[in-house]
Amino acid sequence: SQQGEEDPQALSIQEGENATMNCSYKTSINNLQWYRQNSGRGLVHLILIRSNEREKHSGRLRVTLDTSKKSSSLLITASRAADTASYFCATAPVDSNYQLIWGAGTKLIIKP
Amino acid sequence: SAVISQKPSRDICQRGTSLTIQCQVDSQVTMMFWYRQQPGQSLTLIATANQGSEATYESGFVIDKFPISRPNLTFSTLTVSNMSPEDSSIYLCSLILGLTDEQFFGPGTRLTVL
Repeated sequence: SQQGEEDPQALSIQEGENATMNCSYKTSINNLQWYRQNSGRGLVHLILIRSNEREKHSGRLRVTLDTSKKSSSLLITASRAADTASYFCATAPVDSNYQLIWGAGTKLIIKP
Repeated sequence: SAVISQKPSRDICQRGTSLTIQCQVDSQVTMMFWYRQQPGQSLTLIATANQGSEATYESGFVIDKFPISRPNLTFSTLTVSNMSPEDSSIYLCSLILGLTDEQFFGPGTRLTVL
């Protein structure tokens, strides 16, 4: 089932620009995770942020979490053509027993 | 992380037949999951497969249609039974390692039903 909504659904930017994707969810969570999927293949885990954290960095990725607004954002700085992919957020609800609830995804296209 | 493989990587099947998808992991894990991703859509959890117990199915999925085996801590199979074109999807296995909450995914099996 999906509880997350992501926006935008699609994003096209020039190489070198920053890309921001947003995720909103409905229930209280233990953590929120971002994943990347290239061309309908397996998903790659990017970053996990826990409910007591507000911001996390990993390389060119920056994730924020606002539990009061039940929302998160993923920022990719200095985008590259290889960043072209679909990005999904997934939340772990507090009563989920490790099950993740997935957003609809943002399709990111980086134009060279 | 873990090395996760799935077989087959893709298949084209006829309506009414069944396909068994294998998921192999290079380390022992307790919790494994099977997901379906319909074309252009997000992931939907089919079931949770823990070794030594029956799989737990999500609403809308039943054992007769998607039987799952979990014979040991490194292997699981998902069968898509009596297939119809609506079953055309990518099927993914995933797992959780150790005490982290991160899920790691196999490369997926792209199924097309004619």
